[in-house]
Amino acid sequence: GAGVSQTPSNKVTEKGKYVELRCDPISGHTALYWYRQSLGQGPEFLIYFQGTGAADDSGLPNDRFFAVRPEGSVSTLKIQRTERGDSAVYLCASSSDRSTQYFGPGTRLTVL
Amino acid sequence: AQTVTQSQPEMSVQEAETVTLSCTYDTSESDYYLFWYKQPPSRQMILVIRQEAYKQQNATENRFSVNFQKAAKSFSLKISDSQLGDAAMYFCAYRRRMDSSYKLIFGSGTRLLVRP
Repeated sequence: GAGVSQTPSNKVTEKGKYVELRCDPISGHTALYWYRQSLGQGPEFLIYFQGTGAADDSGLPNDRFFAVRPEGSVSTLKIQRTERGDSAVYLCASSSDRSTQYFGPGTRLTVL
Repeated sequence: AQTVTQSQPEMSVQEAETVTLSCTYDTSESDYYLFWYKQPPSRQMILVIRQEAYKQQNATENRFSVNFQKAAKSFSLKISDSQLGDAAMYFCAYRRRMDSSYKLIFGSGTRLLVRP
C-alpha cells in the first residue's frame, strides 16, 4: 500500500500562532513516531505511540508540544505559541515490527 | 546515554567508484540495531541497510555493505559502483533492541556528492 504521508508539506506561520501537523502511517502499523530535524542535523526523537497511547513522550521539548493519535492510525502533532526556534522539518515514521521504521516526507515548519 | 557520531560532514566520489562513510557510536548495551538511512532532497528518509549487533556477519544489500566492528563501536557504510542517484545525505542510526520506545538515535549526517 501507500507509504507514510504527512500534511502539509510546508507550513509558514507567525510567532505565537498555533499549528497542527498531520501524519498518516502505513496501514496496519501500530507504532508511530515523531522526530524533529533542525537544519544540518540528524532527526531527534519527540514521541512514540503504540496504538492510541503515547508510550514515550520524553523527547517533547516543552509543554507547548502535544501529540494525539485518537483512533490508533492518524496522528497530529500540535504546537502552541510557536517560537522561531521551532522552525524545523518534522518527520513521522511508522513501524509494524518495532525493528524498521518507515518515514514520511516530513513537514517543513517555518516560524516568522 | 547513547550517542552516534559521523565525523565526515561531506564526501565526494567519482561515478562507478567506491566510497566508505564512517560512523561510530557509544553505548553500554550489548544488544542493539544499527541502520543507515539515505535522505535525498525530497526529505524522505529511506532505509539503506540494517545490522543486528548479535550477528557477526556484515549486512549487505546489493551495492551497499557495512563493516561492523562491535568492539570498536564502528559501523561504516561502503557504496560500490557509485551512481548519480546515490547523491544524498546519509545518516547512521542506533536503536536499543529492547527499549520502551524503540526510538532511533541519529548522527549528524554525511553529505555524499557523486561526480559524473
